[in-house]
Amino acid sequence: NAGVTQTPKFRVLKTGQSMTLLCAQDMNHEYMYWYRQDPGMGLRLIHYSVGEGTTAKGEVPDGYNVSRLKKQNFLLGLESAAPSQTSVYFCASRRSIEPYEQYFGPGTRLTVT
Amino acid sequence: DQQVKQNSPSLSVQEGRISILNCDYTNSMFDYFLWYKKYPAEGPTFLISISSIKDKNEDGRFTVFLNKSAKHLSLHIVPSQPGDSAVYFCAASASRTGNQFYFGTGTSLTVIP
Repeated sequence: NAGVTQTPKFRVLKTGQSMTLLCAQDMNHEYMYWYRQDPGMGLRLIHYSVGEGTTAKGEVPDGYNVSRLKKQNFLLGLESAAPSQTSVYFCASRRSIEPYEQYFGPGTRLTVT
Repeated sequence: DQQVKQNSPSLSVQEGRISILNCDYTNSMFDYFLWYKKYPAEGPTFLISISSIKDKNEDGRFTVFLNKSAKHLSLHIVPSQPGDSAVYFCAASASRTGNQFYFGTGTSLTVIP
């Protein structure tokens, strides 16, 4: 039981490049989330999904797209990376019933130069 | 606008003493609250939660108190141990309006041996 895994762990991009971050969970959770963590800002929600085939915008969705084609996977895409997207990205998942605790992955550190 | 606030960026406590971490929120629709603990280079891990129908929840050394009228919650750790040194985030959600969780900016706790 691996919990929540994220690929890759580190990445450096040049401005304008694209990439996809992969999140996978093996707990059969319905809900999945993508957050970014910046110094002094806490965790901010980018997009989330309440089930396979569904996605919704969070607090800071601009510049990102997501897809949830399979229940266990949640992909975060950057079509044209900008330096402002330099951050640590966390994926999380949870059940649909209480307690509503989220299980987080180890994070992806992304630098855009 | 930050809906969940942790006004103390850092806190130092002697081993064996009580640690009290505070969190304030502005949205009266929030009815579920969680605390997470985060070590460097790892994802946050769930500590304890409380729903708005309660004003206290305990789990071992951890107790969360909720004061709905003041829109304030606190996490008490007794006794504090050096392994508790980490960043603590509080989070809140409104079950009626969606599945988003709003995080505070975190408090870095240092427990001095």
